[in-house]
Amino acid sequence: EPEVTQTPSHQVTQMGQEVILRCVPISNHLYFYWYRQILGQKVEFLVSFYNNEISEKSEIFDDQFSVERPDGSNFTLKIRSTKLEDSAMYFCASSGLAGITDTQYFGPGTRLTVL
Amino acid sequence: GNSVTQMEGPVTLSEEAFLTINCTYTATGYPSLFWYVQYPGEGLQLLLKATKADDKGSNKGFEATYRKETTSFHLEKGSVQVSDSAVYFCALSDLPSFGNEKLTFGTGTRLTIIP
Repeated sequence: EPEVTQTPSHQVTQMGQEVILRCVPISNHLYFYWYRQILGQKVEFLVSFYNNEISEKSEIFDDQFSVERPDGSNFTLKIRSTKLEDSAMYFCASSGLAGITDTQYFGPGTRLTVL
Repeated sequence: GNSVTQMEGPVTLSEEAFLTINCTYTATGYPSLFWYVQYPGEGLQLLLKATKADDKGSNKGFEATYRKETTSFHLEKGSVQVSDSAVYFCALSDLPSFGNEKLTFGTGTRLTIIP
């Protein structure tokens, strides 16, 4: 069964460093998302992406964040200068083209720890 | 804005017990409602969904009914198994906007089933 994959599973970085989190969505999907979950808190929407541009972004998704689909398979989230409060689990999701409310399929997540 | 409130966890039950995990929501329109499940070490998986009032979503013995009058979507299962141990997330999506199915999640409820 097709699945969303994410790498790495755990990333440790120093404050101020850039990190890139990688996702491979399901191959025929067209819509891509990033969410994050700070430990003990809710899963929060960050950004949605379609047709090579951002569809919507939350207020969390400030200028330090960017997303890219550099080729036909990868979908990346970059944090330019990490802060302690960026420590969280980051989930990638994708969905297909099925009219109303297609299911979003999630990856296993990348745990980001900023020291 | 939209929000989801879930029953506080963790919840511990004996095998074959009846399960209810409460979920209520606040939304301005007519959202679609979801339950996602996260097994240890895995991503979020869609468990069931309902797209309009009085719809019942069901899967793997779990059920939830979209109750507009009480703005609720409680998850139930008649007889739980050890394999149901996981974290359960209630979520809603905004009015269907093609390609922009942002999900709003609750905090998650950790369920542990004891043999």
